[in-house]
Amino acid sequence: DIQMTQSPSTLSASVGDRVTITCRASQSISNWLAWYQQKPGKAPKLLIFKASSLESGVSSRFSGSGSGTEFTLTISSLQPDDFATYYCQQYNTYSWSFGQGTKVDIK
Amino acid sequence: EVQLVESGGGLIQPGGSLRLSCAASGFTVNGNYMSWVRQAPGKGLEWVSIIYSGGSTYYADSVKGRFTISRDNSENTLYLQMNNLRVEDTAIYYCASGLGNSLSWGQGTLVTVSS
Repeated sequence: DIQMTQSPSTLSASVGDRVTITCRASQSISNWLAWYQQKPGKAPKLLIFKASSLESGVSSRFSGSGSGTEFTLTISSLQPDDFATYYCQQYNTYSWSFGQGTKVDIK
Repeated sequence: EVQLVESGGGLIQPGGSLRLSCAASGFTVNGNYMSWVRQAPGKGLEWVSIIYSGGSTYYADSVKGRFTISRDNSENTLYLQMNNLRVEDTAIYYCASGLGNSLSWGQGTLVTVSS
């Protein structure tokens, strides 16, 4: 099974900050990677698919990059609505796997 | 518009059975791969099972032999039959579908296994 490792686990930032979250796969997943935002009591919200494609309706301050085993999610200018937990997910194989999550909180 | 709506969750005793449903609209369940993902209280996301358009199915080791994924093309609905439930199966269960290169998720249904 493919292991997904996210870093950091927690990130403290201020409104307006540029934020980067990293996700590493234990083996190559090409670019079959998605990023989600999740708020308490809500379902995960798809932000990015295929590593760098922005989901329809998602703010352009979110961007994704990477391929193979190294991926990043960048928030260009953190907004109050962006404080949440973020997950990466590989869907290269039938056995999907997720990172452990990165909680972005207020500094 | 693509939509996935889960139902069937509830409180069940250990050893019991439950069937979850995921009604799809805006696309056909047999034309795409569909999956179940769960999230235990306060924990991360865990993949449970997947069914491909050709009918192949796969399961996480934690549910293999106890859970069965299936679909009803006429109802355009995905199912998850859960037998011999354990306390550790307590979670919100989400259905998700691959749509082209992207993914779509439902809002989830809560399953609580407790005596």
